[in-house]
Amino acid sequence: EVRLVESGGGLVQPGGSLRLSCAASGFTFSTYNMNWVRQAPGKGLEWISFISSSGTSIHYADSVKGRFTISRDNAKNSLYLQMNSLRDEDTAVYYCTRDLHCGGDCYYFDFWGQGTLVTVSS
Amino acid sequence: SYELTQPPSVSVSPGQTARITCSGDVLPKKYAYWYQQKSGQAPVVVIHEDSKRPSGIPERFSGSSSGTMATLTISGAQVEDEADYYCYSTDSTGRVFGGGTKLTVL
Repeated sequence: EVRLVESGGGLVQPGGSLRLSCAASGFTFSTYNMNWVRQAPGKGLEWISFISSSGTSIHYADSVKGRFTISRDNAKNSLYLQMNSLRDEDTAVYYCTRDLHCGGDCYYFDFWGQGTLVTVSS
Repeated sequence: SYELTQPPSVSVSPGQTARITCSGDVLPKKYAYWYQQKSGQAPVVVIHEDSKRPSGIPERFSGSSSGTMATLTISGAQVEDEADYYCYSTDSTGRVFGGGTKLTVL
């Protein structure tokens, strides 16, 4: 059974930092690209970052570029998101998602974790 | 970056057909996907590659795409289909979701 379990969320002051982790199990983690997606309270979904299976290709949404860093440790089956210079608008549930390449130009998130809540507030 | 635009809300009675649209300049070149998110739950894909339905998704869910618009159709909507629906697409450097459509079935 595929499982993605996020941790590391919590309350942080504006300008602070937080590191999220996602523990993966039930599949060969090192062969899948991964992403972080967030959802502010009562708002829609926002993709924020992608990392390839080997970690050599990384992309960010403009809203977090320069402040957030995605990484992974394939030996530990874990995905990370280092969040610096946090702002009020970063308050959201952060989801770890597995990227399914279904052939050709087809890519989508086929498994999601339960999410971890990050609250940025003074 | 690019945008995908959805109506904020759609409302139908049980048994009627619900149609949710998604417009974006990227759609003639890239696939559209549709996610369903029920309250308090993680999203689930209901349509991928414009019109393909994953196993386990009821046949009443279908998708189409033409030009700059993709459409999710729920034929004979059920009360349990009430949820937020998000279109989604990709490009070479990232992914984007539409703003979401709240489907009310009552």
